Amino acid sequence: GAGVSQTPSNKVTEKGKYVELRCDPISGHTALYWYRQSLGQGPEFLIYFQGTGAADDSGLPNDRFFAVRPEGSVSTLKIQRTERGDSAVYLCASSLGPGELFFGEGSRLTVL
Amino acid sequence: DAKTTQPPSMDCAEGRAANLPCNHSTISGNEYVYWYRQIHSQGPQYIIHGLKNNETNEMASLIITEDRKSSTLILPHATLRDTAVYYCIVRGPDLDYKLSFGAGTTVTVRA
Repeated sequence: GAGVSQTPSNKVTEKGKYVELRCDPISGHTALYWYRQSLGQGPEFLIYFQGTGAADDSGLPNDRFFAVRPEGSVSTLKIQRTERGDSAVYLCASSLGPGELFFGEGSRLTVL
Repeated sequence: DAKTTQPPSMDCAEGRAANLPCNHSTISGNEYVYWYRQIHSQGPQYIIHGLKNNETNEMASLIITEDRKSSTLILPHATLRDTAVYYCIVRGPDLDYKLSFGAGTTVTVRA
């Protein structure tokens, strides 16, 4: 596809469950970013990949959050033992080097 | 720590220019000013960026003061589709890839 694709667009889960959110970046983009956005706030940085490795994971809130990008393209954000406070829109972005970030539409996570 | 300060909201009349201010008094010499916007229920969208000189593209113009402590994003002829949250972001060069978003300015364009 032409843009960043995120799936699922909506996910409703119960407290304590495990969740995976997927991001397909723009083909050829080496950098990939995950952000989290709560209602009424700006996006909050979570993690940044350069290729397959996490170059900066300083924004991950705790060890329940983990992200991988095994082949340097698709990335998965994994959340264990979800809590109600994890409810947010999770945004993925990609870029070609340190240039413009292209964002996906986001995955809206609701934890009941 | 917030690197930029923006008004929380502003209104603009359709067809008129919208001037969005941003203060970044602690900006360093090698840091860029970036502007993104986020239309409701969509991901943020890049608008424009600059270092020292004024910049213009098909979407907007960016005016940076000579001391670089503030800037203004200008939407020359605002349309209803320009209603969005606009984020002014200070971003470092090469090694500082990530963008740090603040709360932005909610711009409402009225007919």
